[in-house]
Amino acid sequence: KNEVEQSPQNLTAQEGEFITINCSYSVGISALHWLQQHPGGGIVSLFMLSSGKKKHGRLIATINIQEKHSSLHITASHPRDSAVYICAVENTDKLIFGTGTRLQVFP
Amino acid sequence: DTEVTQTPKHLVMGMTNKKSLKCEQHMGHRAMYWYKQKAKKPPELMFVYSYEKLSINESVPSRFSPECPNSSLLNLHLHALQPEDSALYLCASSPRQNSLLNTEAFFGQGTRLTVV
Repeated sequence: KNEVEQSPQNLTAQEGEFITINCSYSVGISALHWLQQHPGGGIVSLFMLSSGKKKHGRLIATINIQEKHSSLHITASHPRDSAVYICAVENTDKLIFGTGTRLQVFP
Repeated sequence: DTEVTQTPKHLVMGMTNKKSLKCEQHMGHRAMYWYKQKAKKPPELMFVYSYEKLSINESVPSRFSPECPNSSLLNLHLHALQPEDSALYLCASSPRQNSLLNTEAFFGQGTRLTVV
């Protein structure tokens, strides 16, 4: 079993839909990152969380430390949001990555 | 400048070649990382440099040789690679290695390496 699990693995949506991607982890962490990777390969850091909730534009990330769970929400999704979304947790001095959620948003 | 710049973007090399991947950041970050990512898999950590010293080597074969000439540059020297080493190689940096709390990791665009 992976230390960081994401669901769903693949997700398709129509433009404008509200999207939720979930991340559960089984190790102690100091922080959790949500990353976005486009088909070209580059990774962009979306959020770094240690508690509570953060919002940036149409993106919202929440974390529940007691339940070892985080969610990434995208409101009013757009085709340009199509990418792989990766949850990664900081454990000691390493990042442990989830397997990613492949999101496709159709017009 | 809040970027991590990797060159080249694409590299095709033969199994007997020697090549180098380069990574540069000017954010004053003191921790730099090399990751390897195979298709549809998450990145795998290879090396971590902290204050220009190698602090983590994830049992990477010696045909991969990292180098940190100064606090802004990180190289990955490649020699006698195998076709299975073909992957996307990502560089990342962060303000410091330990106590990453409340800091972000910045990733480069990656070098897509093909070994033939």
